[in-house]
This record gives sequence, structure tokens and C-alpha cells, in this order.
Amino acid sequence: AQTIHQWPVAEIKAVGSPLSLGCTIKGKSSPNLYWYWQATGGTLQQLFYSITVGQVESVVQLNLSASRPKDDQFILSTEKLLLSHSGFYLCAWSELGGVGEQYFGPGTRLTVL
Amino acid sequence: QQQVRQSPQSLTVWEGETAILNCSYEDSTFNYFPWYQQFPGEGPALLISISSVSDKKEDGRFTIFFNKREKKLSLHITDSQPGDSATYFCAASQQGTGSKLSFGKGAKLTVSP
Repeated sequence: AQTIHQWPVAEIKAVGSPLSLGCTIKGKSSPNLYWYWQATGGTLQQLFYSITVGQVESVVQLNLSASRPKDDQFILSTEKLLLSHSGFYLCAWSELGGVGEQYFGPGTRLTVL
Repeated sequence: QQQVRQSPQSLTVWEGETAILNCSYEDSTFNYFPWYQQFPGEGPALLISISSVSDKKEDGRFTIFFNKREKKLSLHITDSQPGDSATYFCAASQQGTGSKLSFGKGAKLTVSP
């Protein structure tokens, strides 16, 4: 069975500080990977997606970047946090060439002060 | 431009009643429609999905009705239980691309005992 793990569970960071969030997928080879952002009580906004190691496509610009250093790992980062970065960050995966179903991780709650 | 619209934004039903959540979309190339259920503080979980070649998909107490001509679909939750209280997201994509899901703003369902 596939498992998706995100770390950390929650972060409280200062404006202007750097950030790195991680996501690991186990039990699935070569998945498509995605990062989403969700404001409190809001919809899900796709930020990035990756179909293979080293390749990441940006969907929206939020002063964030993403990388896929390994087949099962997806990293979201920024060098300088803004207040607007606060929210819930979700990693998801789907089958390569699959029907489109995406499966979400437990999320990371980020608070920027 | 919101490509996927949901109504109502919130709904309260009594235990045992049928809850009906509506969704409409703009892009006629969308052909895959998953519904996600999200509890507070958790990642969304895929609940049920339908492709545009079908007009109905049933899974236990959850049924999707799909009208391709009108670009509308609805999620019916029969015999609603307090444990069904959650936010439900309608989403849409082009099946097979796996790269982008467009989400609605969500509908908060409350089931009162």
C-alpha cells in the first residue's frame, strides 16, 4: 500500500525567514507529485507538479520553489517567507499516466508571524 | 476565473436525511470529476469519482449524478450521519493528463443528530 508522509506537521516561522517542507511517497514508483496550498476555510490551489526526478512545473507564482531530488521525494521551499504564505500545504501523488485521481498527504500547517 | 463552482457553500441536514451538494464547470474538455472529503486539520480524501462517459456513479451512501449537456453534477449523500460532517470539494480535470485538478471552493456539510 502507498503511504505519503509530510514533514513537519506544523511550523511557526518569522516573516523573512527561510522554509523547507518535505513530502515522501512510499510504495509507488515514478508517481506524479503535486504541491497544493490551502488558506484556512479555502479551496485548494495547485502550486507545482512533477512527473519525474529533476523536473518541476510551476502552476502559480507565490515566491515559492519546488524540487524533486529523488523519485519519492518532493520539497517545497523559499528563502524569504511572507505573511501571505501562512496556510495548509498539501502534497499529493497520482499514477503516472493514470486516470487523474490524486491522493493527498496529511498536510503541514504553516503560520508566518 | 473559477472553473469549478459549488453550491451551496454550506448545508445543514438532520441525521438520516439526504444531503445534496451541487457542482458546475466551465471547461467542456473536463472529463473526470472526483469528489474529496476533508475533515479539519487533515488532507482531503478521495471519496468518489466519475468520468464523463457515465451519468451516475454509486458507492454505498454516496452517489454522483452527472449531466454533461448542462455541465453539472451533484453528490448525494443518503442516510447522512454526523460523521459525514466535513467539507466536500468537487474537482475536475482532463482524464489522463494527471497534471491539473481544478477545485471548487468547497461545501461545508453539517449533519445534526
